[in-house]
Amino acid sequence: QVPLMQWGSGLLKPSETLSRTCAVYRGSFSGHYWNWLRQSPGKGLEWIGEVHRDGNTTYNPSLKSRVTISVDTPKNQFSLRLTSVTAADTAIYYCARSNCTSTSCFQAFDMWGQGAMVTVSS
Amino acid sequence: DIVMTQSPDSLAVSLGERATIRCKSSQTILYSLSNKNYLAWYQQKPGQPPKLLLYWASTRESGVPDRFTGSGSGTDFTLTISSLQAEDVAVYFCQQYYTSPPTFGGGTEVEIK
Repeated sequence: QVPLMQWGSGLLKPSETLSRTCAVYRGSFSGHYWNWLRQSPGKGLEWIGEVHRDGNTTYNPSLKSRVTISVDTPKNQFSLRLTSVTAADTAIYYCARSNCTSTSCFQAFDMWGQGAMVTVSS
Repeated sequence: DIVMTQSPDSLAVSLGERATIRCKSSQTILYSLSNKNYLAWYQQKPGQPPKLLLYWASTRESGVPDRFTGSGSGTDFTLTISSLQAEDVAVYFCQQYYTSPPTFGGGTEVEIK
């Protein structure tokens, strides 16, 4: 079974809201930060933001006004919402886990979901 | 944001030969109190997500072959594949996590000559 599995909208029109959810099937959910990243030919790999089980979030300032990442700890899931999408948001979206030791976490990503293509087109 | 610049964009290496990829950060990513460089390297094969190879610039992730070696400090870093194998054909990325947002290099494509 894949360690991280995501689902959600794959084809959007400009101005719509992108929504994706990632479920964690392997390892501890509570001991890590959970991230969304995306990859496109034009922008390369881009970090979108992270969430902890307690709901604490950090976002990329370049997307902060449009992004919300939330967590559902009992279900071991976390979700991404990106509002007012444009063609520039067309990318492969990944969910990923931050690497953590017993005492701290750092933003190197040691577990990734398979990725999902999201296309924004009128 | 810290800008990560990789070179070359692509390289072709014969099987069994050494491959060297460079990564430069726009500012230091060495945290002096811990003497750790906040740099990671990833390998990405077609149709797959990136895979973490190294963190703290030179610490191998569990299961990564020892032919992958990371070096460097401050702003200049190198990933070396000591003896290229067919399964190493991929794109390699560096990434800093010294400051948020974490940022990635543009990638280096490694192929067989």
